[in-house]
Amino acid sequence: GENVEQHPSTLSVQEGDSAVIKCTYSDSASNYFPWYKQELGKGPQLIIDIRSNVGEKKDQRIAVTLNKTAKHFSLHITETQPEDSAVYFCAASIKGGGADGLTFGKGTHLIIQP
Amino acid sequence: DARVTQTPRDKVTEMGQEVTMRCQPILGHNTVFWYRQTMMQGLELLAYFRNRAPLDDSGMPKDRFSAEMPDATLATLKIQPSEPRDSAVYFCASGWDFLDTQYFGPGTRLTVL
Repeated sequence: GENVEQHPSTLSVQEGDSAVIKCTYSDSASNYFPWYKQELGKGPQLIIDIRSNVGEKKDQRIAVTLNKTAKHFSLHITETQPEDSAVYFCAASIKGGGADGLTFGKGTHLIIQP
Repeated sequence: DARVTQTPRDKVTEMGQEVTMRCQPILGHNTVFWYRQTMMQGLELLAYFRNRAPLDDSGMPKDRFSAEMPDATLATLKIQPSEPRDSAVYFCASGWDFLDTQYFGPGTRLTVL
């Protein structure tokens, strides 16, 4: 089955700086790669996603890049703010998020230092 | 604002007891997922349903776990008998099979003593 590795497990950055989280996946059949943000005591919330026919996608301060050949994808957050502090998860699936289950990475605890 | 709801939010029980967790998916969604989150294993897919039919339950311990959808507005996850290693947060998520987003509920925190 699919295996998703995520690094780093903890990332501390100064407010205003950029943060990058990286993931690799094992199954070349995977086509859908979402990123979720989880705040303490809450369920994961989708923040951005990308399909395998796209190399990059942006939404304001958040961007995701995908290298299908190398089987890795990354989350980029620019101009970080205190409310960005949370645990971030990458995931992968073959058919797409609504059609089959997601395989998650182990998560990155992002800490924004004031 | 449509949301996935889960009950109970917290459950403490003793080893050997039956536990039932409930999920109300977003109205109209046709796919429902159950995940388990622990510090050691992270988020793991247990099972999922489409149009109330089970599609995949390979992530679930078969001898003690069961998942059902009695109707389109209710999904249940049962553990019988419960064991301390079942202690985790259990999430339900729902979506449409033709769209990508899975919407997660707030989770049920289960503690088995």
